[in-house]
Amino acid sequence: RKEVEQDPGPFNVPEGATVAFNCTYSNSASQSFFWYRQDCRKEPKLLMSVYSSGNEDGRFTAQLNRASQYISLLIRDSKLSDSATYLCVVNQGGKLIFGQGTELSVKP
Amino acid sequence: EAGVAQSPRYKIIEKRQSVAFWCNPISGHATLYWYQQILGQGPKLLIQFQNNGVVDDSQLPKDRFSAERLKGVDSTLKIQPAKLEDSAVYLCASSSSNYGYTFGSGTRLTVV
Repeated sequence: RKEVEQDPGPFNVPEGATVAFNCTYSNSASQSFFWYRQDCRKEPKLLMSVYSSGNEDGRFTAQLNRASQYISLLIRDSKLSDSATYLCVVNQGGKLIFGQGTELSVKP
Repeated sequence: EAGVAQSPRYKIIEKRQSVAFWCNPISGHATLYWYQQILGQGPKLLIQFQNNGVVDDSQLPKDRFSAERLKGVDSTLKIQPAKLEDSAVYLCASSSSNYGYTFGSGTRLTVV
C-alpha cells in the first residue's frame, strides 16, 4: 500500500465548477499535512497547510480527518489558472511524503 | 531571499555514463533534501541532510547514487553508472524547520 494515495486523474472541469480532491495516508503517526501545487515543468509549491479544524484560503478549503487518515481539498468557482497537478503531502519526522498527484484541467 | 539554486537545468546522457547535479540551498537552511520525480509520479525522497550529516538515505540506490554535502551548505548528487530508468527530474529542497520547504527548479535528466 502506498504511503499517500490520491484520486487518479485527470479531472477536466468547466470554469466555475467546484472540484474536490481526496487523499488517504497510511502512517497514523504522520505529523502535519499539506497540499502542494505543481505547474507543468515547474517545481512543487505550497498551496496550503491542512488542519484538523479545517481551513480556508479564498476559494480553497482543506480538511483533515485524523481518525480516517483522510485529507481533502475543495476548489470552488474554479479558474483557468487553477489548471495544475495537486499533490497531497504528509510530513513524517521532518520528511515530506508525496502522493502521486491529481491533474486538474479547467476549460473555458 | 534568494531561492534554492540548482544546476544544470537539463542534462542528456547515454546509459552507463555518469552525471552530477549541484544544489545551493537557501542561506541558513540546515536541512537539505534530494527528491526524484519520475514523469506522472509525485516526488520521492532520495536523501535528507541535516547540516553535513545524513539523516535518511533509505531510498537512495546506493549501488549507483551518491550524495554529499560538504561544509553543510552546497550539495551534489551523483549517478554512476546511469540507467534508462533514472530519467526523471531531480529536485533539491531546503528547510529551516519541519514546516518550511522551498524547492529548486530541478534538473531534468534524460538517459538514452
